[in-house]
Amino acid sequence: KQEVTQIPAALSVPEGENLVLNCSFTDSAIYNLQWFRQDPGKGLTSLLLIQSSQREQTSGRLNASLDKSSGRSTLYIAASQPGDSATYLCAVTPGTASKLTFGTGTRLQVTL
Amino acid sequence: DTEVTQTPKHLVMGMTNKKSLKCEQHMGHRAMYWYKQKAKKPPELMFVYSYEKLSINESVPSRFSPECPNSSLLNLHLHALQPEDSALYLCASSQDSGAGGEKLFFGSGTQLSVL
Repeated sequence: KQEVTQIPAALSVPEGENLVLNCSFTDSAIYNLQWFRQDPGKGLTSLLLIQSSQREQTSGRLNASLDKSSGRSTLYIAASQPGDSATYLCAVTPGTASKLTFGTGTRLQVTL
Repeated sequence: DTEVTQTPKHLVMGMTNKKSLKCEQHMGHRAMYWYKQKAKKPPELMFVYSYEKLSINESVPSRFSPECPNSSLLNLHLHALQPEDSALYLCASSQDSGAGGEKLFFGSGTQLSVL
């Protein structure tokens, strides 16, 4: 059974810092990996999707990398802003079908 | 239009009530999903509809009954719920679940409280 873990569970950084969120998964036979953002009591917003054949994806200040063989992904946020405060979830898709397995999430707070 | 719209945003119901959650998307997506999320936990998949047919039921209790009237609408009918069913219910859609691993678009959710 696929297990997805995110470390740290919570993180507080001052505005302007660069930061890295980590995601690890136990079964490397994945189709792709997605990073989502969730604000309290709200739905999820897809940030980046990395196909299993790709190594990284970038969108603005966000960069996500994927190392399938080691079962790891990282989300790099450059020049963090208070508006980045949210919970960040990674999710992996197995080899078939869109049945995401979500990670445990990292709650990020960016302070002024 | 890249939105998934869920109504109502909040719902309080008693254990004997019958209510329905609604979800709508106009992106032409052919796969729609229901997820359940407890506080401070990741979302858990409940149901997947692909081309208006139920393709995945994650052993959800029968007090939750999904319905897909057409490719744009997804309902979740609730009956005789328990207090432990209180959670955020999220709807999502993707272009086609058969291909595997499409980008999911989520609604803002319905916060359900069962008294």
